Amino acid sequence: AQKVTQAQTEISVVEKEDVTLDCVYETRDTTYYLFWYKQPPSGELVFLIRRNSFDEQNEISGRYSWNFQKSTSSFNFTITASQVVDSAVYFCALSEYTGNQFYFGTGTSLTVIP
Amino acid sequence: GAVVSQHPSWVICKSGTSVKIECRSLDFQATTMFWYRQFPKQSLMLMATSNEGSKATYEQGVEKDKFLINHASLTLSTLTVTSAHPEDSSFYICSARTPHAGDEQYFGPGTRLTVT
Repeated sequence: AQKVTQAQTEISVVEKEDVTLDCVYETRDTTYYLFWYKQPPSGELVFLIRRNSFDEQNEISGRYSWNFQKSTSSFNFTITASQVVDSAVYFCALSEYTGNQFYFGTGTSLTVIP
Repeated sequence: GAVVSQHPSWVICKSGTSVKIECRSLDFQATTMFWYRQFPKQSLMLMATSNEGSKATYEQGVEKDKFLINHASLTLSTLTVTSAHPEDSSFYICSARTPHAGDEQYFGPGTRLTVT
């Protein structure tokens, strides 16, 4: 069965600090996709990244970076030099290759304090 | 990028009434649409999967007679909450999947339902 665990329920950091959001997943599929979404107070999910199971390269996009480690089934997300606008709930999700149903983690609520 | 819309964005209804939420893929044809429900401070939970022209597949614990899903066209799926009760108050999010562009899935902006 597929499962996504985000152990950190809430995190608070001071502006300009770096913060890492953890994501651990379980799946029996050999092909799958991993995602991170940002959900601001408005509720709309903002797509951040998609990574397929065959691509373990880490990715950097501006202040955001992602570390995918198949050996530990983790897909962690780091925000460098955090800003107040980064305050939101962040969801990690897993998708089967064929079914495309999303399995969401419980989310991490990030508060960046000015 | 692909756009999925939901209407209404928020709705308040009285207990016992029915509410219809629309999910539209604006610039692509969606063979499959998913409906999720999110209670406050909780994660998104899949309610059902709908394929165009066929009956929806509901997740365990979701009452199909209460949450009616119709996927009548490749660009429209509707979720009707029948005889709504306060415990149905939630944030409902749809997503649409296209078989093209690598089976991408796009999320709608969500509909906030409050039942009084």
